[in-house]
Amino acid sequence: AQKITQTQPGMFVQEKEAVTLDCTYDTSDPSYGLFWYKQPSSGEMIFLIYQGSYDQQNATEGRYSLNFQKARKSANLVISASQLGDSAMYFCAMRTRVGNQFYFGTGTSLTVIP
Amino acid sequence: ETGVTQTPRHLVMGMTNKKSLKCEQHLGHNAMYWYKQSAKKPLELMFVYSLEERVENNSVPSRFSPECPNSSHLFLHLHTLQPEDSALYLCASRRLAGGVYEQFFGPGTRLTVL
Repeated sequence: AQKITQTQPGMFVQEKEAVTLDCTYDTSDPSYGLFWYKQPSSGEMIFLIYQGSYDQQNATEGRYSLNFQKARKSANLVISASQLGDSAMYFCAMRTRVGNQFYFGTGTSLTVIP
Repeated sequence: ETGVTQTPRHLVMGMTNKKSLKCEQHLGHNAMYWYKQSAKKPLELMFVYSLEERVENNSVPSRFSPECPNSSHLFLHLHTLQPEDSALYLCASRRLAGGVYEQFFGPGTRLTVL
């Protein structure tokens, strides 16, 4: 079964608008971490934000925030004030404590429109 | 399951050993990637193969040698590794669907270098 699900293969957003990229996960491990990565056309993976399963508050890093809803098992990425340079692939990932496994979603391709 | 398999799942090797990691996909994808996931470090892109030709080599030490004999198989040959090379090595394949790219990650090989 897929551990990480990203249901939006492609998204468009107007420059300066906010956009939400969806991510749901599935695990029975009570301790886990959730990550978001950005992959521009160059292929490198850029770490954006991290949320621990026991963190009480939603993680924020500059224009990035993670909308963590534990009961719904969702970890959506919110990008505020989109910029043209935000156009890239975005991957949601989960690391479980049991087995120290990493699981990645299939990615969302975000295009920012001027 | 994503359809991308990696073998072995766990590998312990000495610094003088030679070993190979294998990645396989029969999804019809024509681009494949090797990533390195070290503890407490972001995911690092190592190699990209598109149509069996290497298109990216991200300053990876020569003790890592990739091979892509066909579009379904990708190898990472290891020799004279260092303890700091211990990490999770992830393979991914990419497809273009509906005008957007999706990447499918394998479960990874956890490598320990003694």
